[in-house]
Amino acid sequence: SQTIHQWPATLVQPVGSPLSLECTVEGTSNPNLYWYRQAAGRGLQLLFYSVGIGQISSEVPQNLSASRPQDRQFILSSKKLLLSDSGFYLCAWSAGTSGSPGELFFGEGSRLTVL
Amino acid sequence: DAKTTQPPSMDCAEGRAANLPCNHSTISGNEYVYWYRQIHSQGPQYIIHGLKNNETNEMASLIITEDRKSSTLILPHATLRDTAVYYCIVRVAPGNTPLVFGKGTRLSVIA
Repeated sequence: SQTIHQWPATLVQPVGSPLSLECTVEGTSNPNLYWYRQAAGRGLQLLFYSVGIGQISSEVPQNLSASRPQDRQFILSSKKLLLSDSGFYLCAWSAGTSGSPGELFFGEGSRLTVL
Repeated sequence: DAKTTQPPSMDCAEGRAANLPCNHSTISGNEYVYWYRQIHSQGPQYIIHGLKNNETNEMASLIITEDRKSSTLILPHATLRDTAVYYCIVRVAPGNTPLVFGKGTRLSVIA
């Protein structure tokens, strides 16, 4: 069966510090991968998605970046965090093959607090 | 931008059916209707999806109008654990286009 893991689960970082959140998927190949963010009291905002290694689409211009160094690994990064980067970050995957129902499966989430 | 409209909140008595409406008047012929829910501090959970016909699984039923401009998610016997934000989303499936979440409906199941 397929599983998705993301870490760390909780992170407290000072303004201006770097960020690295990691996400890995097991039990499937060539998945579509996504990063979403949910600020306190707000809806889910799509940040990045990837349909293959090295292929990243950015939905929102900001100081965050994403990379996909391996087929089942997705990394969210920042060189200098802002207060507004605080939130609940969710990684998700879906089957990239034709004929799939397009369901999204989410990780446990990473709660980032920038002070 | 989300292509659906949902009421911001609803209440439902425990044990009764919860009927969550969704308007998607601009839906295209090849777009599916998806429903997800998000329990506090967790990632969203897939519930059900459909194209034209009504669908039912172990979690819920999805009723889509004949003109496909609206749909209703039905939780037949709501429990306190069904309290969550419910998202109705339309998208082409399968595909590489991501799901765009709107604000959803906050369902409160009351004992």
